[in-house]
This record gives sequence, structure tokens and C-alpha cells, in this order.
Amino acid sequence: NAGVTQTPKFRILKIGQSMTLQCTQDMNHNYMYWYRQDPGMGLKLIYYSVGAGITDKGEVPNGYNVSRSTTEDFPLRLELAAPSQTSVYFCASKGGPSTDTQYFGPGTRLTVL
Amino acid sequence: AQSVTQPDIHITVSEGASLELRCNYSYGATPYLFWYVQSPGQGLQLLLKYFSGDTLVQGIKGFEAEFKRSQSSFNLRKPSVHWSDAAEYFCAVKLEERSGGGADGLTFGKGTHLIIQP
Repeated sequence: NAGVTQTPKFRILKIGQSMTLQCTQDMNHNYMYWYRQDPGMGLKLIYYSVGAGITDKGEVPNGYNVSRSTTEDFPLRLELAAPSQTSVYFCASKGGPSTDTQYFGPGTRLTVL
Repeated sequence: AQSVTQPDIHITVSEGASLELRCNYSYGATPYLFWYVQSPGQGLQLLLKYFSGDTLVQGIKGFEAEFKRSQSSFNLRKPSVHWSDAAEYFCAVKLEERSGGGADGLTFGKGTHLIIQP
């Protein structure tokens, strides 16, 4: 049982490039989340999803897009990378509204130069 | 808007000594509060949570936390720390829905880095 997996672990982008951060969970969880953790700061919610085909904005959605075509996968898309998007990105999941615990992946460290 | 403050960026404790990590929150209603631990290169692991009821909550690894509404605090404690407790500790509160908190999204404090001295 792998839990929440994220790829890649590290990535360096140039300004204006695009990329997709992958997130997969094998726990059949309905709820999934993307957070970013800036240096010396706490995590902030970017986007979340309550099930396949349903996504919504969190606290800091600007500059990102998401999709949820399957229960397992919740990719995060950066279209025009900017230095302000240098951060560590965490994906998380939980079973649904009746469960409490969010399970986090190991993170993707992204640097935009 | 809701927020979480962890006033201590670093704390150094001797192995075997007691520990208290501070957390203050700002929230309009009864908060849902969490403590997570992050080891280097790892994701976050839930230590404990408070939703309602008994204000003293027990968690994993011997940790406990006490919710004090009058002080807007949710401090984490452990009576005797072990070297393996060295990590980053985050306090978090559930976002209100109007702030993007649908589906129980969280907002986190900046974290407290715990160093254990032998």
C-alpha cells in the first residue's frame, strides 16, 4: 500500500515554462488536496477535489490549474512558471467528509529561475 | 480570516526533558485544530486533532494537546522527549468554506523546528 505518491521529487524550471506535478493515491479516497509550502512558511491550500470531475479553489489558486478525471489521480498544472512559484508542493488525500485524517505525500521541490 | 501562529521558530530540548510547543489560532467559530509532524524529506503525519468535547486530546507517540478557547491556544506537549522526536511540527486549523476551505482544507502555521540535545 503506497499511500500518496508524488512525482517528480525535484524540478528546476525556467520562467515561463510549464509543467505538471503528478499525484496518485491508492486508498480510494474521494477528497484530494494540493498545498504549497514556501520557505519558512506554513502550508497553504491551492486546490482541492471532492471526487472525480469536481475541483475547487483553495486559498492560493492563482497560477495553477487542476483536473480530476479519476479517483486516483489529481495532477497540478503550472502554465507559466514564475519565481514566486518556487516552493515545495504537497498532495494530500482523505476518505471523505466523515473522516478526519489527511494523508500527505512526500512533496515535490520546485525551483523557478 | 482564520490563521495560525506558532511563535517559536526553533526549540532546543534535552533528551528526556518535557516539551511544550505553542500554537495560537484566529477563527470565527469553533475551530477544528490539528498538529502534524514532518521529518526531513517526508510528508506530514497527523499527531492529534481536536474537534469538540474533551479539551485535552491524546495523540500518537506520547503527544497530547490542550485546547483553551479563552487563550485561543492549542499547545502541544510531551512529558519526555526522545531523540527521534527531532522534526518540524506544524499546527493547523480547518479553513472556513468562504476562504477556500471546502472539503476540510487546512491552513498551517509556519512550524516549529525541534532540536533534541543528547
